[in-house]
Amino acid sequence: GDSVTQMEGPVTLSEEAFLTINCTYTATGYPSLFWYVQYPGEGLQLLLKATKADDKGSNKGFEATYRKETTSFHLEKGSVQVSDSAVYFCALSDRGFQKLVFGTGTRLLVSP
Amino acid sequence: SAVISQKPSRDICQRGTSLTIQCQVDSQVTMMFWYRQQPGQSLTLIATANQGSEATYESGFVIDKFPISRPNLTFSTLTVSNMSPEDSSIYLCSVGAGEMGVSGANVLTFGAGSRLTVL
Repeated sequence: GDSVTQMEGPVTLSEEAFLTINCTYTATGYPSLFWYVQYPGEGLQLLLKATKADDKGSNKGFEATYRKETTSFHLEKGSVQVSDSAVYFCALSDRGFQKLVFGTGTRLLVSP
Repeated sequence: SAVISQKPSRDICQRGTSLTIQCQVDSQVTMMFWYRQQPGQSLTLIATANQGSEATYESGFVIDKFPISRPNLTFSTLTVSNMSPEDSSIYLCSVGAGEMGVSGANVLTFGAGSRLTVL
């Protein structure tokens, strides 16, 4: 079945450092790919998405590119802030379906 | 996007009891989803709830353990029955984004979750 693999955390960075959180997937079809973020005490929020190969999703300085050849959707940000501290989930869904398959989540801790 | 309210936000329960979690959405939605997030693990889909029909359960989840109601297009409940410590999790309600009836939206909005601890 479909699956998502994320790098384990926590990822600890200093403010203004470069961030990469790796995500790879396994799917039988051509899934849509997502990054969700969960801030402390809050529900999951969609951060960005990409629906086809080579698409780049971006939001709030975060980017991720749908790489079909490497089945990856790595999350990047050039300069993290303390307010980016959260748990980040990579996820996929098959086209036409709304249910998601999630990775295990990666906790990001950014210190001043 | 829709705004989802879940309650309770957290509870501590005794082994063998049951607890019902409520999910209220501020707009009409076709499909509602219930997920479970066990400690240190990812989210797992429990079931999909459509108004006017039986919920569709994922492999490993059964109606007797997790009965779901969907009385209208803005509300759903999930009951965790005969709880054991293994049921200690965060339970999340989610709905698809976009207009009701539009397929392929593929984006979910989540409630803040209900954190259950079973002693």
